[in-house]
Amino acid sequence: EDQVTQSPEALRLQEGESSSLNCSYTVSGLRGLFWYRQDPGKGPEFLFTLYSAGEEKEKERLKATLTKKESFLHITAPKPEDSATYLCAVQAWGDDKIIFGKGTRLHILP
Amino acid sequence: KAGVTQTPRYLIKTRGQQVTLSCSPISGHRSVSWYQQTPGQGLQFLFEYFSETQRNKGNFPGRFSGRQFSNSRSEMNVSTLELGDSALYLCASSGDSNEQFFGPGTRLTVL
Repeated sequence: EDQVTQSPEALRLQEGESSSLNCSYTVSGLRGLFWYRQDPGKGPEFLFTLYSAGEEKEKERLKATLTKKESFLHITAPKPEDSATYLCAVQAWGDDKIIFGKGTRLHILP
Repeated sequence: KAGVTQTPRYLIKTRGQQVTLSCSPISGHRSVSWYQQTPGQGLQFLFEYFSETQRNKGNFPGRFSGRQFSNSRSEMNVSTLELGDSALYLCASSGDSNEQFFGPGTRLTVL
């Protein structure tokens, strides 16, 4: 069964303190892995799609990487406005369903 | 380009009632997916519609149903509401790529 596990569940960092969020996945043939950001009371906001192991994508202070079993979302020198829940999701070939992890709640302290 | 819109944004119902939620996708997007989000379970897939046909369905009871119209707008219906149906219901649309873009959600409270 396709599965996505995110860790840690919650993370508190000081402003400027870099860290990484983990997304481990089990899927029968990865079609795509997605990262989203969700602010309280709002819908998820699309960040990145990764398709194959070794691929990396960057946007401002965020960089997403992908291996055959997991993805990392690296946050460099975060600011308080980066505080949000970050969601990881996967889609398998032959299945249009997208399966989400439960997310990592990130809190950046000023 | 306008984003995904959902109406209403907030809804309060009582047990046993039914509810209909609406979603307008991004112009040109033919796929609409619905999700239920709760603090304990996270985002759970309900169903996906593509060109007016249900293409995929999650593990929810038959009380949850949906449809899509020729203009790609979609509705989901929940009949015989239960307390456990209280959640944020999210709609997402996608075009030729498989990237999904979400609306702001409808917050449903069942009393």
